[in-house]
Amino acid sequence: AQTVTQSQPEMSVQEAETVTLSCTYDTSESDYYLFWYKQPPSRQMILVIRQEAYKQQNATENRFSVNFQKAAKSFSLKISDSQLGDAAMYFCAYRSAYSWQGGSEKLVFGKGTKLTVNP
Amino acid sequence: SQTIHQWPATLVQPVGSPLSLECTVEGTSNPNLYWYRQAAGRGLQLLFYSVGIGQISSEVPQNLSASRPQDRQFILSSKKLLLSDSGFYLCAWREGREKLFFGSGTQLSVL
Repeated sequence: AQTVTQSQPEMSVQEAETVTLSCTYDTSESDYYLFWYKQPPSRQMILVIRQEAYKQQNATENRFSVNFQKAAKSFSLKISDSQLGDAAMYFCAYRSAYSWQGGSEKLVFGKGTKLTVNP
Repeated sequence: SQTIHQWPATLVQPVGSPLSLECTVEGTSNPNLYWYRQAAGRGLQLLFYSVGIGQISSEVPQNLSASRPQDRQFILSSKKLLLSDSGFYLCAWREGREKLFFGSGTQLSVL
């Protein structure tokens, strides 16, 4: 079974600075999707960025970018020019691209990293 | 645009009481629907998913059940709640192959 590990329970960053959140995963599959979700105090899960495993180019969404290292099974999130509104729990997640036994229906989440942004 | 509604936002129930959480999606047809649970200090765990009316797949054995009586309605139920059922429950639907959109969640406290 696939697992997702976020080794940093908490991180902090100064406003306007850059921070990187780490994520590693374990899988024997070659095709899959990786995601970063943000959960602010409202607790609604918000998709931040996604990456397709077969694409070598790292995904970017405005101030958010990822460093996807497929061989190392690493998927880190970089937040540039941090803003107070970025403070939240961040979850890394994995989803198989294979539908066998419903594998493609299931998001496997890490335990999250709590990001604090200091003014 | 598509929206997902989930209610109630909070619920306090005694042990042994029944449960019914409802989720509806607007603006799309035949969506894949999901129930996730988030225990305190942990990530989300998939409980059930449905690819169509009356089609329910369970990911983990538990005290809960799910039903999909209509195309855009997904219900999470229990006949008798346990203390261990406490948690934050999120309904979600999937757009295309990649994007999963979540509702606002229900905080369930079983006392």
